[in-house]
Amino acid sequence: GEDVEQSLFLSVREGDSSVINCTYTDSSSTYLYWYKQEPGAGLQLLTYIFSNMDMKQDQRLTVLLNKKDKHLSLRIADTQTGDSAIYFCAETNRDDKIIFGKGTRLHILP
Amino acid sequence: SAVISQKPSRDICQRGTSLTIQCQVDSQVTMMFWYRQQPGQSLTLIATANQGSEATYESGFVIDKFPISRPNLTFSTLTVSNMSPEDSSIYLCSVNTEAFFGQGTRLTVV
Repeated sequence: GEDVEQSLFLSVREGDSSVINCTYTDSSSTYLYWYKQEPGAGLQLLTYIFSNMDMKQDQRLTVLLNKKDKHLSLRIADTQTGDSAIYFCAETNRDDKIIFGKGTRLHILP
Repeated sequence: SAVISQKPSRDICQRGTSLTIQCQVDSQVTMMFWYRQQPGQSLTLIATANQGSEATYESGFVIDKFPISRPNLTFSTLTVSNMSPEDSSIYLCSVNTEAFFGQGTRLTVV
């Protein structure tokens, strides 16, 4: 079946780069997404990448996609305290439904 | 980008009662989706709301418990029926054209 895996926790010092990794199983995925969820808030779509791309950059965010290994990563440059949140990796499956990972809780150290 | 409005944003309900959640989109969309996020968990797809036909439910979810309406291309409702404390979750609607989500409805069943 379809599955999206990501580590549950990540701690990073303020000012350093954060790299959140994700693996997925559905090779037919068309889009892959990164969402941010702050405490008590809904989901915010941070960025997405089409499956025929291998990189996408948007200001402090860089998404890398290794389609052969089914590996997706999100790099946040110059991590700030406001980046503290849960980050969800997600993919669209062949039925156009979004399948989510369990989320990575990013903790910023002073 | 689509703007998705959900209401209510939160509610506290008695067990055994039902709650209907509304989702309004500012543009016409073909597919609308309903997700559940249980406390501390990732998102799980409940069903796909199809305009003009019955909703398509994922494994583990049934129409009697989660009836869905989709009267037109900009609106859908999800009802959580005969609620129990296990139904306490955030319920979110999404439009897959751009993978955006509403802010969610935080439901607490007491």
